[in-house]
Amino acid sequence: GDSVTQMEGPVTLSEEAFLTINCTYTATGYPSLFWYVQYPGEGLQLLLKATKADDKGSNKGFEATYRKETTSFHLEKGSVQVSDSAVYFCALSDSDQGGKLIFGQGTELSVKP
Amino acid sequence: DTGVSQDPRHKITKRGQNVTFRCDPISEHNRLYWYRQTLGQGPEFLTYFQNEAQLEKSRLLSDRFSAERPKGSFSTLEIQRTEQGDSAMYLCASSLAPGDNQPQHFGDGTRLSIL
Repeated sequence: GDSVTQMEGPVTLSEEAFLTINCTYTATGYPSLFWYVQYPGEGLQLLLKATKADDKGSNKGFEATYRKETTSFHLEKGSVQVSDSAVYFCALSDSDQGGKLIFGQGTELSVKP
Repeated sequence: DTGVSQDPRHKITKRGQNVTFRCDPISEHNRLYWYRQTLGQGPEFLTYFQNEAQLEKSRLLSDRFSAERPKGSFSTLEIQRTEQGDSAMYLCASSLAPGDNQPQHFGDGTRLSIL
Protein backbone atom coordinates (compact mmCIF):
# COMPACT_ATOMS: atom_id res chain seq x y z
CA GLY A 1 0.00 0.00 0.00
CA ASP A 2 0.88 3.67 -0.15
CA SER A 3 3.32 4.95 2.46
CA VAL A 4 5.38 7.98 3.52
CA THR A 5 8.80 7.93 5.16
CA GLN A 6 10.35 10.94 6.88
CA MET A 7 13.76 11.50 8.37
CA GLU A 8 13.84 10.81 12.06
CA GLY A 9 13.99 13.60 14.57
CA PRO A 10 14.48 15.46 16.66
CA VAL A 11 16.27 18.01 14.51
CA THR A 12 17.93 20.78 16.49
CA LEU A 13 19.11 23.92 14.71
CA SER A 14 20.30 27.37 15.63
CA GLU A 15 18.25 30.36 14.57
CA GLU A 16 18.88 31.41 10.94
CA ALA A 17 20.23 27.97 9.99
CA PHE A 18 19.13 26.17 6.81
CA LEU A 19 16.50 23.47 7.24
CA THR A 20 15.91 20.31 5.24
CA ILE A 21 13.49 17.59 6.30
CA ASN A 22 13.53 14.62 3.95
CA CYS A 23 10.35 12.90 2.83
CA THR A 24 9.95 10.04 0.38
CA TYR A 25 6.79 8.26 -0.63
CA THR A 26 5.47 5.09 -2.24
CA ALA A 27 2.22 5.27 -4.18
CA THR A 28 0.50 3.25 -6.87
CA GLY A 29 -1.31 6.21 -8.39
CA TYR A 30 -0.58 9.92 -8.79
CA PRO A 31 -0.86 11.37 -5.33
CA SER A 32 -1.02 14.92 -4.09
CA LEU A 33 1.64 15.71 -1.50
CA PHE A 34 1.36 17.83 1.62
CA TRP A 35 3.34 19.16 4.54
CA TYR A 36 1.42 19.72 7.76
CA VAL A 37 2.81 21.38 10.91
CA GLN A 38 1.74 20.79 14.50
CA TYR A 39 2.75 23.43 17.04
CA PRO A 40 2.80 22.42 20.72
CA GLY A 41 -0.74 21.99 22.05
CA GLU A 42 -2.35 22.74 18.71
CA GLY A 43 -3.94 20.82 15.85
CA LEU A 44 -2.43 20.06 12.47
CA GLN A 45 -2.16 22.98 10.08
CA LEU A 46 -1.57 22.73 6.36
CA LEU A 47 1.80 24.27 5.55
CA LEU A 48 2.01 23.67 1.80
CA LYS A 49 0.95 21.29 -0.94
CA ALA A 50 1.79 20.15 -4.47
CA THR A 51 -0.60 18.26 -6.71
CA LYS A 52 1.54 17.10 -9.61
CA ALA A 53 5.11 16.35 -10.59
CA ASP A 54 7.53 19.32 -10.56
CA ASP A 55 5.04 21.52 -8.68
CA LYS A 56 6.61 23.60 -5.94
CA GLY A 57 4.58 24.36 -2.85
CA SER A 58 5.59 27.33 -0.71
CA ASN A 59 4.36 29.14 2.37
CA LYS A 60 5.92 31.21 5.18
CA GLY A 61 9.40 30.78 3.70
CA PHE A 62 9.07 26.98 3.48
CA GLU A 63 9.30 25.22 0.12
CA ALA A 64 8.97 21.69 -1.20
CA THR A 65 9.13 20.36 -4.76
CA TYR A 66 7.24 17.28 -5.96
CA ARG A 67 9.92 15.03 -7.49
CA LYS A 68 8.32 12.07 -9.23
CA GLU A 69 11.62 10.61 -10.41
CA THR A 70 12.95 10.32 -6.86
CA THR A 71 9.51 9.99 -5.21
CA SER A 72 10.45 12.77 -2.81
CA PHE A 73 8.96 15.93 -1.33
CA HIS A 74 11.67 17.39 0.88
CA LEU A 75 10.84 20.42 3.02
CA GLU A 76 13.31 23.32 3.04
CA LYS A 77 13.64 26.73 4.64
CA GLY A 78 16.56 29.08 4.19
CA SER A 79 16.57 30.64 7.64
CA VAL A 80 14.63 29.11 10.53
CA GLN A 81 13.27 31.03 13.50
CA VAL A 82 12.56 29.93 17.05
CA SER A 83 8.86 30.16 16.22
CA ASP A 84 9.30 27.37 13.63
CA SER A 85 9.81 24.85 16.44
CA ALA A 86 7.11 22.25 15.88
CA VAL A 87 6.48 18.76 14.52
CA TYR A 88 6.34 18.53 10.73
CA PHE A 89 4.38 15.81 8.93
CA CYS A 90 4.69 14.81 5.30
CA ALA A 91 1.54 13.26 3.83
CA LEU A 92 0.07 12.01 0.59
CA SER A 93 -3.45 11.77 -0.72
CA ASP A 94 -4.33 9.46 -3.60
CA SER A 95 -7.36 10.09 -5.77
CA ASP A 96 -7.94 6.33 -5.94
CA GLN A 97 -8.28 6.15 -2.17
CA GLY A 98 -11.00 8.65 -1.42
CA GLY A 99 -8.75 11.53 -0.44
CA LYS A 100 -7.66 10.11 2.89
CA LEU A 101 -4.25 11.30 4.05
CA ILE A 102 -1.38 8.91 4.68
CA PHE A 103 1.15 10.49 7.01
CA GLY A 104 4.79 9.97 7.80
CA GLN A 105 5.78 9.57 11.42
CA GLY A 106 6.62 13.24 11.87
CA THR A 107 9.88 15.11 12.44
CA GLU A 108 10.29 17.28 15.50
CA LEU A 109 12.18 20.51 14.89
CA SER A 110 13.68 22.51 17.73
CA VAL A 111 15.22 25.90 16.92
CA LYS A 112 17.48 27.48 19.54
CA PRO A 113 18.13 31.22 19.78
CA ASP B 1 -14.62 30.36 8.74
CA THR B 2 -14.86 29.12 12.32
CA GLY B 3 -12.67 26.10 11.67
CA VAL B 4 -13.19 22.47 12.66
CA SER B 5 -14.38 22.11 16.22
CA GLN B 6 -13.98 19.01 18.39
CA ASP B 7 -15.50 18.26 21.75
CA PRO B 8 -14.35 17.43 24.35
CA ARG B 9 -10.67 18.41 24.21
CA HIS B 10 -9.79 15.84 26.84
CA LYS B 11 -11.54 12.71 28.05
CA ILE B 12 -10.37 10.52 30.92
CA THR B 13 -12.31 7.35 31.53
CA LYS B 14 -11.99 3.92 33.06
CA ARG B 15 -11.37 0.84 31.00
CA GLY B 16 -14.62 -0.73 29.86
CA GLN B 17 -16.59 2.51 29.68
CA ASN B 18 -18.13 3.92 26.49
CA VAL B 19 -17.06 7.31 25.16
CA THR B 20 -18.40 9.56 22.41
CA PHE B 21 -16.63 12.40 20.65
CA ARG B 22 -18.14 15.09 18.49
CA CYS B 23 -16.77 16.90 15.46
CA ASP B 24 -18.26 19.98 13.81
CA PRO B 25 -16.68 20.53 10.38
CA ILE B 26 -16.35 23.74 8.42
CA SER B 27 -19.92 24.41 7.33
CA GLU B 28 -19.55 24.13 3.56
CA HIS B 29 -17.32 21.03 3.68
CA ASN B 30 -19.04 17.83 2.60
CA ARG B 31 -16.18 15.46 3.44
CA LEU B 32 -15.34 14.58 7.02
CA TYR B 33 -12.47 12.36 8.16
CA TRP B 34 -11.49 10.77 11.47
CA TYR B 35 -7.88 9.93 12.34
CA ARG B 36 -6.11 8.54 15.39
CA GLN B 37 -2.69 9.74 16.52
CA THR B 38 -0.55 8.05 19.14
CA LEU B 39 2.47 9.63 20.79
CA GLY B 40 5.39 10.09 18.42
CA GLN B 41 3.48 8.88 15.38
CA GLY B 42 1.68 10.44 12.47
CA PRO B 43 -2.11 10.35 12.32
CA GLU B 44 -3.69 7.14 11.00
CA PHE B 45 -6.88 7.14 8.97
CA LEU B 46 -9.97 5.64 10.62
CA THR B 47 -12.98 6.51 8.46
CA TYR B 48 -14.53 9.16 6.26
CA PHE B 49 -17.91 10.49 5.19
CA GLN B 50 -19.17 12.29 2.16
CA ASN B 51 -22.25 14.10 3.35
CA GLU B 52 -24.06 11.51 5.50
CA ALA B 53 -22.62 8.45 3.74
CA GLN B 54 -19.75 6.58 5.38
CA LEU B 55 -17.62 5.61 2.39
CA GLU B 56 -14.62 3.85 3.92
CA LYS B 57 -13.56 2.32 7.21
CA SER B 58 -10.00 1.36 8.08
CA ARG B 59 -9.11 -2.05 9.44
CA LEU B 60 -8.04 -0.10 12.53
CA LEU B 61 -11.71 0.56 13.22
CA SER B 62 -12.71 -2.50 15.23
CA ASP B 63 -16.30 -3.47 15.96
CA ARG B 64 -16.12 -1.42 19.16
CA PHE B 65 -15.84 1.76 17.10
CA SER B 66 -18.74 3.39 15.32
CA ALA B 67 -19.03 6.71 13.56
CA GLU B 68 -22.06 8.59 12.31
CA ARG B 69 -22.83 11.75 10.44
CA PRO B 70 -26.62 11.70 10.50
CA LYS B 71 -27.47 14.92 8.71
CA GLY B 72 -24.26 15.44 6.80
CA SER B 73 -23.11 18.10 9.22
CA PHE B 74 -21.53 17.15 12.57
CA SER B 75 -20.16 13.68 13.22
CA THR B 76 -19.78 11.49 16.29
CA LEU B 77 -17.24 8.78 17.00
CA GLU B 78 -18.18 6.28 19.70
CA ILE B 79 -15.88 3.75 21.31
CA GLN B 80 -17.56 0.99 23.30
CA ARG B 81 -15.91 -1.01 26.08
CA THR B 82 -12.73 1.07 25.95
CA GLU B 83 -9.34 -0.61 26.28
CA GLN B 84 -5.92 0.70 27.29
CA GLY B 85 -4.83 0.64 23.67
CA ASP B 86 -7.52 3.16 22.75
CA SER B 87 -5.59 5.92 24.51
CA ALA B 88 -4.71 8.37 21.75
CA MET B 89 -5.53 11.71 20.19
CA TYR B 90 -8.59 11.48 17.93
CA LEU B 91 -8.50 14.01 15.13
CA CYS B 92 -11.27 15.18 12.85
CA ALA B 93 -10.73 16.91 9.53
CA SER B 94 -13.01 18.26 6.82
CA SER B 95 -12.63 19.24 3.20
CA LEU B 96 -14.52 19.94 0.02
CA ALA B 97 -14.93 17.04 -2.38
CA PRO B 98 -13.17 15.76 -4.42
CA GLY B 99 -10.87 15.13 -1.48
CA ASP B 100 -7.60 14.38 -3.15
CA ASN B 101 -6.61 17.89 -4.15
CA GLN B 102 -8.64 19.69 -1.54
CA PRO B 103 -6.67 20.30 1.65
CA GLN B 104 -8.07 18.87 4.83
CA HIS B 105 -8.58 21.23 7.74
CA PHE B 106 -8.03 19.69 11.15
CA GLY B 107 -9.57 20.29 14.53
CA ASP B 108 -7.48 20.43 17.70
CA GLY B 109 -8.39 16.85 18.54
CA THR B 110 -9.82 14.96 21.51
CA ARG B 111 -7.21 13.37 23.76
CA LEU B 112 -8.50 10.12 25.26
CA SER B 113 -6.85 8.64 28.33
CA ILE B 114 -7.93 5.21 29.60
CA LEU B 115 -7.22 4.53 33.26
